[in-house]
Amino acid sequence: GQQVMQIPQYQHVQEGEDFTTYCNSSTTLSNIQWYKQRPGGHPVFLIQLVKSGEVKKQKRLTFQFGEAKKNSSLHITATQTTDVGTYFCAGWLGAGSYQLTFGKGTKLSVIP
Amino acid sequence: DARVTQTPRHKVTEMGQEVTMRCQPILGHNTVFWYRQTMMQGLELLAYFRNRAPLDDSGMPKDRFSAEMPDATLATLKIQPSEPRDSAVYFCASGYTATGNQPQHFGDGTRLSIL
Repeated sequence: GQQVMQIPQYQHVQEGEDFTTYCNSSTTLSNIQWYKQRPGGHPVFLIQLVKSGEVKKQKRLTFQFGEAKKNSSLHITATQTTDVGTYFCAGWLGAGSYQLTFGKGTKLSVIP
Repeated sequence: DARVTQTPRHKVTEMGQEVTMRCQPILGHNTVFWYRQTMMQGLELLAYFRNRAPLDDSGMPKDRFSAEMPDATLATLKIQPSEPRDSAVYFCASGYTATGNQPQHFGDGTRLSIL
């Protein structure tokens, strides 16, 4: 079955440092979504990427979708304590499928 | 803001007891998902419904878990009998899928502890 691998599993950074998490799928994806889960909270949708090579930005967050639509990354510039949480990527195979396959997430800790 | 509502938020019960978790999806959403989250396994998809019809429940242990959607405003997940290994956070999520996949909106989850 489809697998979505996400690395690293954990990342500790000093406040102000950059952070990147990577997502790789065993199969070509129709689109990929990113979610953030704060400690004790629930996953919250951040963004969806659809096109090959697509790059989207949300303030300090930059999301990329690979050319082959099998990998993606999330980069946070100058982390803040409010960025703490677990970031999940979730891939969608396309028509005929209604489910997302979630990666196991990257847990980000920011040291003030 | 519209939100997915899950009840109860917390549940502690003894092994062997029946557990029922409820979810009210966002009005107008036609797809409902049940996930289980643990430290070891991450987010696991248990079952999902589209237009109230069950599409896939292959992620559920069939002997003890059951998922239903008696109407468009209520989805349920039952465990009978419960076991300590069922301890986890159970999330319900809803979304609207038509020609493409749309974001999933998660509820606050039910934190289940089986003693």
